[in-house]
Amino acid sequence: DGGITQSPKYLFRKEGQNVTLSCEQNLNHDAMYWYRQDPGQGLRLIYYSQIVNDFQKGDIAEGYSVSREKKESFPLTVTSAQKNPTAFYLCASSSRGPMNTEAFFGQGTRLTVV
Amino acid sequence: AQSVTQPDIHITVSEGASLELRCNYSYGATPYLFWYVQSPGQGLQLLLKYFSGDTLVQGIKGFEAEFKRSQSSFNLRKPSVHWSDAAEYFCAVGARGATNKLIFGTGTLLAVQP
Repeated sequence: DGGITQSPKYLFRKEGQNVTLSCEQNLNHDAMYWYRQDPGQGLRLIYYSQIVNDFQKGDIAEGYSVSREKKESFPLTVTSAQKNPTAFYLCASSSRGPMNTEAFFGQGTRLTVV
Repeated sequence: AQSVTQPDIHITVSEGASLELRCNYSYGATPYLFWYVQSPGQGLQLLLKYFSGDTLVQGIKGFEAEFKRSQSSFNLRKPSVHWSDAAEYFCAVGARGATNKLIFGTGTLLAVQP
């Protein structure tokens, strides 16, 4: 079945550590996105990528980094510079921009700093 | 810059009753408009979208939404709610001409009473 797979579902991080969240899609989509979700704040765009080897900062990119070496993969690294990383992280993809086609979302990764 | 307001944080309806979830947007032109639904701990699923044409849009699971330019609104409706509709609902707006940037509202949590 085609879809987006995020792993792990739950992740615990000690303060000062970097962690990487995985996002893989087999939908042959060009565009991929990372959103952060906090209670009462909706979804905020962290980074997005329209093609391989290219990505752009979203609204809250500070403390995060990404790579897009393969079309299928768009991993997100939460660095120690992110002051409040505890959140629910959602990855999405679409065949073009989300304006024209449906954006498909993964099941999310819940990151907790301990 | 575009923005989305969902004025109702939490709504409770009885099963079988009608439902209307409010969404107001701010944008200088006609935006792209979306409604997504999220079950607890899950990703988002697209319910419906408006790009152009008929202002009454039909979606999945019996939902519909109406774009009203004069009111800058895109309210979601369902004539008869089922217990399985309990979830969080997000309205989103995208700017025409912009690239890959959806702005989400803060969400409305729907509870369904038996």
